[in-house]
Amino acid sequence: QSALTQPPSASGSPGQSVTISCTGTNRDVGRYNSVSWYQQHPGKAPKLLIYEVTKRPSGVPDRFSGSKSGSTASLTVSGLQAEDEADYYCCSFAASNTYVFGTGTKVTVL
Amino acid sequence: EVQVVESGGGLVQPGGSLRLSCAASGFTLNTHWVHWARQAPGKGLEWVSQIDPNGNGRSYADSVTGRFTTSRDNAESTVYLQMNSLRPEDTAVYYCARGGVLYAVDMWGQGTMVTVSS
Repeated sequence: QSALTQPPSASGSPGQSVTISCTGTNRDVGRYNSVSWYQQHPGKAPKLLIYEVTKRPSGVPDRFSGSKSGSTASLTVSGLQAEDEADYYCCSFAASNTYVFGTGTKVTVL
Repeated sequence: EVQVVESGGGLVQPGGSLRLSCAASGFTLNTHWVHWARQAPGKGLEWVSQIDPNGNGRSYADSVTGRFTTSRDNAESTVYLQMNSLRPEDTAVYYCARGGVLYAVDMWGQGTMVTVSS
């Protein structure tokens, strides 16, 4: 159950787009269409942004989108806004009916 | 307000035990998978365990297998995380979360802090 690999940081100016990668293996990301993405502001609980790779819960802006190719999933935040500055985590269903989170990416809005 | 609420955190010595509880407000937990995740100070999220609506299906992260047990009392609409043989590396904020969508959690509690220290 090794953590999925994410870049430690990403940044962009307001209005720009930023894409965060999430690399796993053929035992998790590559096997299941079950990647989810969470946003976490400092001192707060995580918030679900994307589930089943591409689906958005109601209330999540369509500026947030997900995709997957092989064992790497990605989250794109378009039209960056100041409130998007937060930590982002991917998560995947994995073997033995378990889950594994990514290492996390801190997004900075310049 | 629709939310999940954890309780039971605190300070415990290494080797000790603690039981966390997770209750729902504004909806019933009884029909949902429930997950536990944790976050050590300044670190990332780590998935800990899950339990199915009937309490028959459970799974755990390798790091807690054999030491932690999740259970539920649907009559009380409460889910528990029994933590035994606690280690300093178990120190973290523990979150309860509702598995409201397929393969993901759509509602998180505010977390409860567990500190393992002598």
